[in-house]
Amino acid sequence: DAGVIQSPRHEVTEMGQEVTLRCKPISGHNSLFWYRQTMMRGLELLIYFNNNVPIDDSGMPEDRFSAKMPNASFSTLKIQPSEPRDSAVYFCASRDPFNYGYTFGSGTRLTVV
Amino acid sequence: AQTVTQSQPEMSVQEAETVTLSCTYDTSENNYYLFWYKQPPSRQMILVIRQEAYKQQNATENRFSVNFQKAAKSFSLKISDSQLGDTAMYFCAFGGIQGAQKLVFGQGTRLTINP
Repeated sequence: DAGVIQSPRHEVTEMGQEVTLRCKPISGHNSLFWYRQTMMRGLELLIYFNNNVPIDDSGMPEDRFSAKMPNASFSTLKIQPSEPRDSAVYFCASRDPFNYGYTFGSGTRLTVV
Repeated sequence: AQTVTQSQPEMSVQEAETVTLSCTYDTSENNYYLFWYKQPPSRQMILVIRQEAYKQQNATENRFSVNFQKAAKSFSLKISDSQLGDTAMYFCAFGGIQGAQKLVFGQGTRLTINP
């Protein structure tokens, strides 16, 4: 198994541009989570999906952030327009429904200049 | 809502020593999972050990063991015979089973193993 796959690994963009982060969960995992990690705020849950349905998006900072999961093997997190304060590492994780094990991707380091 | 607290922002020990990282949590649920994750400079989140709340026996994985005190809502990690490769950020996390089934993290403890 290739694990949770995130792309890109690094992203540098200019303020105001649209940014799309991608995640492929482990096959058979039915829950998917998006986290943001910063020095100031630590690991924050942005949104999570269960069986492709968004369950809790209370962590999404504002309307500039949106997430989708069109099928069981793909999810996107979009920021439009991006701002320098969005600079962070964004992690995607999926969960095994049988043993509640969480597996994290390698993260995307986003820098907005 | 569940909360996880790690009261030690940084710790430092000598190689081969034993070190214990503290974690407390708050929940009204009776069954859940607790985890310790390691994050080295590569930023990869690596599962170190997990504990199921309904199991009284403390989990162990080689040099890593936990002290799970359910009534006190305490979940500490002990690293025996520490190695230079153990240098990393360590995060304690709570995973719900009923209700909000999300992984909630503590603030992390930066552990440095000195040669």
